[in-house]
Amino acid sequence: GAVVSQHPSWVICKSGTSVKIECRSLDFQATTMFWYRQFPKQSLMLMATSNEGSKATYEQGVEKDKFLINHASLTLSTLTVTSAHPEDSSFYICSATQPFSTSGKPRNTGELFFGEGSRLTVL
Amino acid sequence: QQQVKQSPQSLIVQKGGISIINCAYENTAFDYFPWYQQFPGKGPALLIAIRPDVSEKKEGRFTISFNKSAKQFSLHIMDSQPGDSATYFCAASKRNTGNQFYFGTGTSLTVIP
Repeated sequence: GAVVSQHPSWVICKSGTSVKIECRSLDFQATTMFWYRQFPKQSLMLMATSNEGSKATYEQGVEKDKFLINHASLTLSTLTVTSAHPEDSSFYICSATQPFSTSGKPRNTGELFFGEGSRLTVL
Repeated sequence: QQQVKQSPQSLIVQKGGISIINCAYENTAFDYFPWYQQFPGKGPALLIAIRPDVSEKKEGRFTISFNKSAKQFSLHIMDSQPGDSATYFCAASKRNTGNQFYFGTGTSLTVIP
C-alpha cells in the first residue's frame, strides 16, 4: 500500500513553545490529508482536513489559530501546535488518501493510509 | 451522532480461537468499509476492506462479513495469535465526498497464549 511518513515520531517541548509535525506521502500525490488526535485508549478524533493550495477545514471545537496546518505541496502537510501547553500533549496522526498513482493517471482507490503518528509531550 | 458503532470495547481470546468484532453504521450512502489495526505508539494500518457489492471478503486469517440490509459488518480473525493483540478500528466512508472517514470507537483485542 501507499506510504505516509510522519516526523518526528515523538517530541518533548516546554510549555509556550511551538512544535511542527510533518506528514509526507512518499509514493503518491495527496491533494487531501487529514490530521487526527488520539488520546490513550480512545478512537481517532479528526481535527482538520488539509487541502493542497488552500486553507484547511477544521472540525468544530478545534482552534485553527492553535493548530496551524499548511499543505504547501502535493506530498507535504504540516501541523504546527502553537504556544503548546500540557493539555496539548497527545498522539497526533496524519493520513492521506491516494487519488493518483505516481504515473499521474487518476486512480481513486478511496483507501486511507496513516502515518506512524507523533507523540507530543508538553512539559 | 456516532456514525459508526463498534463493539465490544475489549475482547480477550485464547490463542487459536476466533476473534469477532462488530460494527454498525447509519448512513446508507457509505460505500467503503475498512478495518484498521493499531499497535501501541503506532499509527493505524489498513488491514482489510470491503465494498457493499460483496457480502464477504477473506484475506488470510482475516474475514469481513457484510450485511447491507442490517447495515452491519464484522471482522473475524481466525486462529487468533498473540501477535494479533492490538486495537482494531472499523470505519466507513463515502467516495467522492472528500473521502471523509468515520471511525468506530475501537476494540482492544488481547490474545492469550
